[in-house]
Amino acid sequence: DTAVSQTPKYLVTQMGNDKSIKCEQNLGHDTMYWYKQDSKKFLKIMFSYNNKELIINETVPNRFSPKSPDKAHLNLHINSLELGDSAVYFCASSQDVAGSYEQYFGPGTRLTVT
Amino acid sequence: DAKTTQPPSMDCAEGRAANLPCNHSTISGNEYVYWYRQIHSQGPQYIIHGLKNNETNEMASLIITEDRKSSTLILPHATLRDTAVYYCIRCRRNQGGKLIFGQGTELSVKP
Repeated sequence: DTAVSQTPKYLVTQMGNDKSIKCEQNLGHDTMYWYKQDSKKFLKIMFSYNNKELIINETVPNRFSPKSPDKAHLNLHINSLELGDSAVYFCASSQDVAGSYEQYFGPGTRLTVT
Repeated sequence: DAKTTQPPSMDCAEGRAANLPCNHSTISGNEYVYWYRQIHSQGPQYIIHGLKNNETNEMASLIITEDRKSSTLILPHATLRDTAVYYCIRCRRNQGGKLIFGQGTELSVKP
Protein backbone atom coordinates (compact mmCIF):
# COMPACT_ATOMS: atom_id res chain seq x y z
CA ASP A 1 0.00 0.00 0.00
CA THR A 2 1.30 3.42 -0.96
CA ALA A 3 1.50 5.68 2.10
CA VAL A 4 1.33 9.03 0.28
CA SER A 5 0.02 9.02 -3.27
CA GLN A 6 -0.31 11.80 -5.82
CA THR A 7 -2.17 12.06 -9.09
CA PRO A 8 -1.29 12.64 -11.78
CA LYS A 9 2.37 11.72 -11.95
CA TYR A 10 2.92 13.87 -15.02
CA LEU A 11 0.95 16.90 -16.14
CA VAL A 12 1.60 18.83 -19.33
CA THR A 13 -0.55 21.85 -20.00
CA GLN A 14 -0.57 25.23 -21.66
CA MET A 15 -0.18 28.66 -20.13
CA GLY A 16 -3.38 30.13 -18.81
CA ASN A 17 -5.03 26.80 -18.03
CA ASP A 18 -6.31 25.74 -14.61
CA LYS A 19 -5.20 22.40 -13.21
CA SER A 20 -5.41 20.36 -10.01
CA ILE A 21 -3.07 17.89 -8.34
CA LYS A 22 -4.47 15.44 -5.82
CA CYS A 23 -2.80 13.95 -2.77
CA GLU A 24 -3.96 11.22 -0.43
CA GLN A 25 -2.32 9.66 2.61
CA ASN A 26 -3.39 6.44 4.32
CA LEU A 27 -1.17 6.83 7.37
CA GLY A 28 -3.80 8.41 9.60
CA HIS A 29 -1.69 11.56 9.88
CA ASP A 30 -3.11 14.91 10.96
CA THR A 31 -0.82 17.15 8.92
CA MET A 32 -0.22 17.42 5.18
CA TYR A 33 2.09 19.60 3.12
CA TRP A 34 2.82 20.76 -0.40
CA TYR A 35 6.40 21.37 -1.53
CA LYS A 36 7.72 22.67 -4.84
CA GLN A 37 11.04 21.58 -6.38
CA ASP A 38 12.18 23.85 -9.17
CA SER A 39 14.58 23.18 -12.02
CA LYS A 40 17.54 23.98 -9.78
CA LYS A 41 16.39 21.20 -7.44
CA PHE A 42 15.56 23.50 -4.54
CA LEU A 43 12.76 22.07 -2.41
CA LYS A 44 10.56 24.68 -0.82
CA ILE A 45 7.49 24.35 1.35
CA MET A 46 4.32 25.97 0.01
CA PHE A 47 1.53 25.04 2.40
CA SER A 48 0.74 22.88 5.37
CA TYR A 49 -2.62 21.84 6.75
CA ASN A 50 -3.34 20.38 10.16
CA ASN A 51 -6.73 18.73 10.60
CA LYS A 52 -8.01 20.53 7.50
CA GLU A 53 -6.85 23.94 8.75
CA LEU A 54 -4.20 26.01 6.99
CA ILE A 55 -1.09 26.30 9.16
CA ILE A 56 1.62 27.48 6.77
CA ASN A 57 1.27 29.62 3.65
CA GLU A 58 4.70 30.50 2.37
CA THR A 59 4.07 33.63 0.25
CA VAL A 60 2.69 31.57 -2.57
CA PRO A 61 0.79 33.46 -5.33
CA ASN A 62 -2.99 33.54 -4.98
CA ARG A 63 -3.25 31.44 -8.11
CA PHE A 64 -2.34 28.48 -5.91
CA SER A 65 -5.18 27.31 -3.70
CA PRO A 66 -4.90 24.23 -1.52
CA LYS A 67 -8.03 22.43 -0.44
CA SER A 68 -8.34 19.81 2.25
CA PRO A 69 -11.72 18.04 2.13
CA ASP A 70 -10.67 15.76 4.98
CA LYS A 71 -7.57 14.84 6.96
CA ALA A 72 -6.45 12.27 4.42
CA HIS A 73 -6.56 14.53 1.37
CA LEU A 74 -4.84 17.75 0.36
CA ASN A 75 -5.35 18.92 -3.18
CA LEU A 76 -3.60 21.75 -4.98
CA HIS A 77 -5.45 23.82 -7.54
CA ILE A 78 -3.52 26.19 -9.76
CA ASN A 79 -5.23 28.91 -11.78
CA SER A 80 -3.87 30.70 -14.84
CA LEU A 81 -0.77 28.56 -15.11
CA GLU A 82 2.49 30.31 -15.97
CA LEU A 83 5.76 29.00 -17.41
CA GLY A 84 7.42 29.51 -14.04
CA ASP A 85 5.03 27.06 -12.43
CA SER A 86 6.82 24.22 -14.18
CA ALA A 87 8.31 22.13 -11.40
CA VAL A 88 7.91 18.92 -9.46
CA TYR A 89 5.30 19.21 -6.71
CA PHE A 90 5.58 16.93 -3.70
CA CYS A 91 2.91 16.20 -1.17
CA ALA A 92 3.92 15.05 2.32
CA SER A 93 2.27 14.11 5.59
CA SER A 94 3.28 13.85 9.23
CA GLN A 95 1.63 12.68 12.40
CA ASP A 96 1.38 16.22 13.73
CA VAL A 97 2.83 19.71 13.21
CA ALA A 98 5.29 19.35 16.05
CA GLY A 99 8.90 19.40 14.96
CA SER A 100 9.53 15.95 16.37
CA TYR A 101 7.62 14.08 13.68
CA GLU A 102 9.06 12.90 10.41
CA GLN A 103 7.39 13.69 7.12
CA TYR A 104 6.52 11.12 4.50
CA PHE A 105 6.67 12.30 0.92
CA GLY A 106 4.72 11.24 -2.12
CA PRO A 107 6.35 10.37 -5.46
CA GLY A 108 5.83 13.84 -6.92
CA THR A 109 3.89 15.36 -9.80
CA ARG A 110 5.96 16.76 -12.64
CA LEU A 111 4.13 19.78 -14.02
CA THR A 112 5.22 21.17 -17.37
CA VAL A 113 3.66 24.40 -18.61
CA THR A 114 4.17 25.17 -22.29
CA ASP B 1 17.54 30.36 4.57
CA ALA B 2 18.49 26.75 5.30
CA LYS B 3 20.91 27.69 8.10
CA THR B 4 22.86 24.49 7.67
CA THR B 5 26.10 24.00 5.77
CA GLN B 6 26.95 20.78 3.97
CA PRO B 7 29.63 19.88 1.44
CA PRO B 8 28.10 19.90 -2.04
CA SER B 9 29.35 16.45 -2.95
CA MET B 10 31.10 13.38 -1.58
CA ASP B 11 32.23 10.02 -2.86
CA CYS B 12 32.20 6.76 -0.96
CA ALA B 13 33.34 3.25 -1.87
CA GLU B 14 30.68 0.56 -1.78
CA GLY B 15 30.72 -1.34 1.51
CA ARG B 16 32.51 1.42 3.37
CA ALA B 17 31.00 3.81 5.89
CA ALA B 18 29.75 7.11 4.51
CA ASN B 19 30.15 10.01 6.94
CA LEU B 20 28.21 13.09 5.93
CA PRO B 21 28.92 16.24 7.95
CA CYS B 22 26.58 19.13 8.65
CA ASN B 23 27.25 22.44 10.32
CA HIS B 24 24.40 24.14 12.19
CA SER B 25 26.30 26.49 14.45
CA THR B 26 23.32 28.79 15.16
CA ILE B 27 20.90 26.03 16.11
CA SER B 28 18.41 26.85 18.88
CA GLY B 29 17.67 24.69 21.89
CA ASN B 30 14.24 23.69 20.57
CA GLU B 31 15.39 22.78 17.07
CA TYR B 32 15.78 19.20 15.98
CA VAL B 33 18.32 18.04 13.41
CA TYR B 34 16.70 16.03 10.65
CA TRP B 35 18.24 14.08 7.81
CA TYR B 36 16.40 13.29 4.61
CA ARG B 37 17.62 11.98 1.31
CA GLN B 38 16.34 12.22 -2.23
CA ILE B 39 17.16 9.50 -4.67
CA HIS B 40 16.98 10.71 -8.26
CA SER B 41 13.43 11.66 -9.33
CA GLN B 42 11.84 10.32 -6.12
CA GLY B 43 10.26 12.07 -3.17
CA PRO B 44 12.50 12.86 -0.20
CA GLN B 45 12.86 10.03 2.29
CA TYR B 46 13.19 10.47 6.03
CA ILE B 47 16.36 8.93 7.50
CA ILE B 48 16.77 9.95 11.11
CA HIS B 49 16.47 12.87 13.51
CA GLY B 50 17.77 13.92 16.90
CA LEU B 51 17.75 16.70 19.44
CA LYS B 52 20.74 16.23 21.73
CA ASN B 53 21.65 12.57 21.94
CA ASN B 54 23.15 10.35 19.31
CA GLU B 55 20.57 8.27 17.52
CA THR B 56 20.64 5.02 15.56
CA ASN B 57 18.06 3.23 13.49
CA GLU B 58 18.08 0.56 10.80
CA MET B 59 19.20 3.04 8.16
CA ALA B 60 21.85 5.18 9.81
CA SER B 61 23.41 6.71 12.88
CA LEU B 62 23.33 10.37 13.81
CA ILE B 63 26.13 11.84 15.87
CA ILE B 64 25.45 15.29 17.33
CA THR B 65 28.29 17.18 18.97
CA GLU B 66 27.88 18.14 22.59
CA ASP B 67 27.50 21.83 21.74
CA ARG B 68 24.97 20.85 19.02
CA LYS B 69 26.73 23.03 16.45
CA SER B 70 27.37 20.19 14.07
CA SER B 71 26.33 16.64 13.33
CA THR B 72 27.37 13.68 11.22
CA LEU B 73 25.16 11.19 9.47
CA ILE B 74 26.77 7.77 9.20
CA LEU B 75 25.69 5.13 6.72
CA PRO B 76 27.63 2.15 8.10
CA HIS B 77 27.91 0.07 4.91
CA ALA B 78 27.08 2.17 1.89
CA THR B 79 25.56 0.48 -1.14
CA LEU B 80 25.03 1.74 -4.68
CA ARG B 81 21.39 2.36 -3.78
CA ASP B 82 22.49 4.93 -1.21
CA THR B 83 23.56 7.27 -4.02
CA ALA B 84 21.36 10.31 -3.43
CA VAL B 85 21.27 13.91 -2.26
CA TYR B 86 21.34 14.06 1.54
CA TYR B 87 19.76 17.00 3.33
CA CYS B 88 20.52 18.13 6.86
CA ILE B 89 17.62 20.22 8.16
CA ARG B 90 16.78 22.14 11.31
CA CYS B 91 13.18 21.96 12.42
CA ARG B 92 11.53 23.76 15.31
CA ARG B 93 8.84 22.23 17.50
CA ASN B 94 6.50 25.18 17.11
CA GLN B 95 7.08 25.97 13.44
CA GLY B 96 4.25 23.95 12.00
CA GLY B 97 6.60 21.18 10.93
CA LYS B 98 8.21 23.39 8.31
CA LEU B 99 11.29 21.81 6.75
CA ILE B 100 13.71 24.21 5.07
CA PHE B 101 15.80 22.30 2.57
CA GLY B 102 19.25 23.53 1.61
CA GLN B 103 21.36 22.31 -1.29
CA GLY B 104 22.36 19.11 0.47
CA THR B 105 25.28 16.78 -0.20
CA GLU B 106 25.28 14.70 -3.34
CA LEU B 107 26.67 11.34 -2.25
CA SER B 108 27.99 9.04 -4.95
CA VAL B 109 28.65 5.47 -3.89
CA LYS B 110 31.07 3.84 -6.28
CA PRO B 111 31.77 0.13 -6.83
